[in-house]
Amino acid sequence: GAGVSQTPSNKVTEKGKYVELRCDPISGHTALYWYRQSLGQGPEFLIYFQGTGAADDSGLPNDRFFAVRPEGSVSTLKIQRTERGDSAVYLCASSRGGSETQYFGPGTRLLVL
Amino acid sequence: QQQVKQSPQSLIVQKGGISIINCAYENTAFDYFPWYQQFPGKGPALLIAIRPDVSEKKEGRFTISFNKSAKQFSLHIMDSQPGDSATYFCAARGYNTDKLIFGTGTRLQVFP
Repeated sequence: GAGVSQTPSNKVTEKGKYVELRCDPISGHTALYWYRQSLGQGPEFLIYFQGTGAADDSGLPNDRFFAVRPEGSVSTLKIQRTERGDSAVYLCASSRGGSETQYFGPGTRLLVL
Repeated sequence: QQQVKQSPQSLIVQKGGISIINCAYENTAFDYFPWYQQFPGKGPALLIAIRPDVSEKKEGRFTISFNKSAKQFSLHIMDSQPGDSATYFCAARGYNTDKLIFGTGTRLQVFP
């Protein structure tokens, strides 16, 4: 079956601009996670959803970052007033309810110039 | 701050050899320890995982050894193959959360 998909695969933007990153989880997966991976580092947790609600948003670095999952399926990560330090690969993962296994998408590579 | 420390940063192994990657953690409230494999340009993929109530888990050529008292766990790749060349991440998850805390990764290169 189809895995987690993320769009766009690459995004180049200018400092100060607004960006939206989209994640389509595996069909039927109730949990959805966002992580950020900087070059040469492990993924860093940002936020996760159970259904439509954010169960834990403790990893969001500041109020410029926001994520939604209005219908409990697709999620959008929104970054306002982007900074060069936001440049990273943004990974999305999903899992079935009650399952520990998180399935990752290929990521969106964000470059802020 | 919750941390998972991983070593070595990079590893070069001859084909057929054993690759060993180590991780250590501080938080005793972790209850699930997965290892992920990541190829360039791809997302991480679950390789094998263990819970702290067992000391070892084996799946094919991959084995996790877990030492609860030392708060350490390691990944052993037996008969390493060039196709195993990738970056490996250990991770840990707490009892009351679904978020994963990742190590910094080990880049493995297996030469024929």
